[in-house]
Amino acid sequence: NAGVTQTPKFRILKIGQSMTLQCTQDMNHNYMYWYRQDPGMGLKLIYYSVGAGITDKGEVPNGYNVSRSTTEDFPLRLELAAPSQTSVYFCASSYLSGGHPNNIQYFGAGTRLSVL
Amino acid sequence: GESVGLHLPTLSVQEGDNSIINCAYSNSASDYFIWYKQESGKGPQFIIDIRSNMDKRQGQRVTVLLNKTVKHLSLQIAATQPGDSAVYFCAEIPPQGGKLIFGQGTELSVKP
Repeated sequence: NAGVTQTPKFRILKIGQSMTLQCTQDMNHNYMYWYRQDPGMGLKLIYYSVGAGITDKGEVPNGYNVSRSTTEDFPLRLELAAPSQTSVYFCASSYLSGGHPNNIQYFGAGTRLSVL
Repeated sequence: GESVGLHLPTLSVQEGDNSIINCAYSNSASDYFIWYKQESGKGPQFIIDIRSNMDKRQGQRVTVLLNKTVKHLSLQIAATQPGDSAVYFCAEIPPQGGKLIFGQGTELSVKP
């Protein structure tokens, strides 16, 4: 069972370049999330989706875009990379939302991005 | 704004000892809390959760305690092992939605 799969694992970008971080899950979860984690810090929510075709902003959405054309895939797009976007990016999915006992978010292994 | 924070950024314990990791939260209306473990180079992994109508929940070698009076959460790990070395995050879900709010994290280091 693959769970949440992220690609690539590592990437170095030059300032102004663009890229897409891929995320796919095989658990048929409706809810998907993108987080960034800066060194020594917790995770901050960038965007999330409650189902195919529906996305919404999280805490730090500036500089990013997302789409959700299928239940399985939730790519994150960086259009004009900036050094401030150097971080580790995690994708997650969950079956439920809110304070349900089974609302466990399952995380991918992360994408380590450096913008130079 | 609301936030979830941890009292100690690092914790070093001897193998076999018990570990206690603390967390403070500010939203008294949050009704669900989760502890995650993050090993180096990996994504966070669910450990245990607790709802606000409980004050204690036990898992395998782990116990989570919730004190709503002082808005405090703790994770207790019994007989800490080298494999427990990781960063531990608490997270809360406020009542308005399922978006987790993560704390800064505590790095647990287990000495052999």
